[in-house]
Amino acid sequence: AQTVTQSQPEMSVQEAETVTLSCTYDTSENNYYLFWYKQPPSRQMILVIRQEAYKQQNATENRFSVNFQKAAKSFSLKISDSQLGDTAMYFCAFVNSGNTPLVFGKGTRLSVIA
Amino acid sequence: GAVVSQHPSRVICKSGTSVKIECRSLDFQATTMFWYRQFPKQSLMLMATSNEGSKATYEQGVEKDKFLINHASLTLSTLTVTSAHPEDSSFYICSARAGAPDRVGTQYFGPGTRLTVL
Repeated sequence: AQTVTQSQPEMSVQEAETVTLSCTYDTSENNYYLFWYKQPPSRQMILVIRQEAYKQQNATENRFSVNFQKAAKSFSLKISDSQLGDTAMYFCAFVNSGNTPLVFGKGTRLSVIA
Repeated sequence: GAVVSQHPSRVICKSGTSVKIECRSLDFQATTMFWYRQFPKQSLMLMATSNEGSKATYEQGVEKDKFLINHASLTLSTLTVTSAHPEDSSFYICSARAGAPDRVGTQYFGPGTRLTVL
């Protein structure tokens, strides 16, 4: 079974600084998709970034980028120039190429401090 | 694009009554919809997966007769909590998946429904 592990339950970062959230996963599949979702205090789940496993290039979305290491099964999220609005719970998620549900990690609670 | 709405956002009901939650994909057709339950400060717990026109697939431990799911169209799924009890109080979130090739695997989430059973 696929599993997703987020080893950092809580993190904090100063405004304008950079922070990296860790995520590892376990799968025997070769083709799959990885995601980071953000859940702010409103509890609305928001897609932050998506990575296709067959693409070697790391995905980026403005201040958000990933470091995808397929051999190590690692998928970390880097947030640059952190803003107060980045304060949220961040979930790493995995899905294989089939129409199966996302598998979520337990989340990392990020606090951005002014 | 890829907006999912969910109604109601909050509901308070008496023990023993039934509550229906609607989930709609507003600007895309959702081939598959998912229902989650989330406890405070925890991750999302998958309850069931539904495909349009077929019966939902429930996760182990989720009572299908208590949590009725109907996926009547490509844009609407409903979750009915039957004979609700205080232990059913929780935050329920729906999610929808589009069939677009550039969005394979991506799930889009509704804003959630907070259910309180008195």
